[in-house]
Amino acid sequence: DAGITQSPRHKVTETGTPVTLRCHQTENHRYMYWYRQDPGHGLRLIHYSYGVKDTDKGEVSDGYSVSRSKTEDFLLTLESATSSQTSVYFCAIKPGQGTDTQYFGPGTRLTVL
Amino acid sequence: SQQGEEDPQALSIQEGENATMNCSYKTSINNLQWYRQNSGRGLVHLILIRSNEREKHSGRLRVTLDTSKKSSSLLITASRAADTASYFCATDAWLISSGSARQLTFGSGTQLTVLP
Repeated sequence: DAGITQSPRHKVTETGTPVTLRCHQTENHRYMYWYRQDPGHGLRLIHYSYGVKDTDKGEVSDGYSVSRSKTEDFLLTLESATSSQTSVYFCAIKPGQGTDTQYFGPGTRLTVL
Repeated sequence: SQQGEEDPQALSIQEGENATMNCSYKTSINNLQWYRQNSGRGLVHLILIRSNEREKHSGRLRVTLDTSKKSSSLLITASRAADTASYFCATDAWLISSGSARQLTFGSGTQLTVLP
C-alpha cells in the first residue's frame, strides 16, 4: 500500500455525530486524495490536497471537510454524519510532478446508522 | 458525473482464456489508467497509457487507446484464477471543478471472475 495507512479501518457511528478519518503517509508525497466508493459508482473524489494547508474540493465534497497541517497527514471530517455517507473511504497519494499514478491506502469502511 | 464507463459490468471466463474489458469516456484526457481491486482491498495501479499512445503492453496486459472514439480496452491474456478482481479505468484530465490540479475520474468497474 505504498506506505499509506488509514485509521480507523472500520467504524460504526450514529447519524448526527462528527467523524474524522485519518490518512497517513511516510514518504512526504505532495498530493493526497480522499475518495468514496459506493456500489455502481466506482470511486468519486471528495477532496484533495496539493500541499500543507492547500486543499480543494472534488466531485462530492458536500458534507465533508479536510485538513492538512502536516505533509504526512490528511484528515477527512464528516461534521454531522448522515446515512448517505455510509461508504468505503479510500485515501490516495500521488508522488508528484512527472508521475501520474496514484497509490491507494487500504480503505476505511464507515457505517452511519 | 463519471468520465469513464466500463463494459461489461461483469465477465466470467475459464482459466487460460483471454479477458477483454472496455472503457469509454467523454472529454479530452492527458492519460488513461487501469487499476485493479481485489475484494476488500485498495486499488492497485496496473498500467498507464498517454493520450499520444495507441497501445501499451505490460506482461500479460495489453491496453489500447483510441482518442478519436474516446475509448480504451484492457486485454488480459492467459488469465489465471488470481486475476479475479474488479478492474477500473480512470481518466486523468483537467476538470472545471479541479482548481489547480488534474483529477482522476473512475468508472464503475468490471468484475472479472476467472474460473479454475
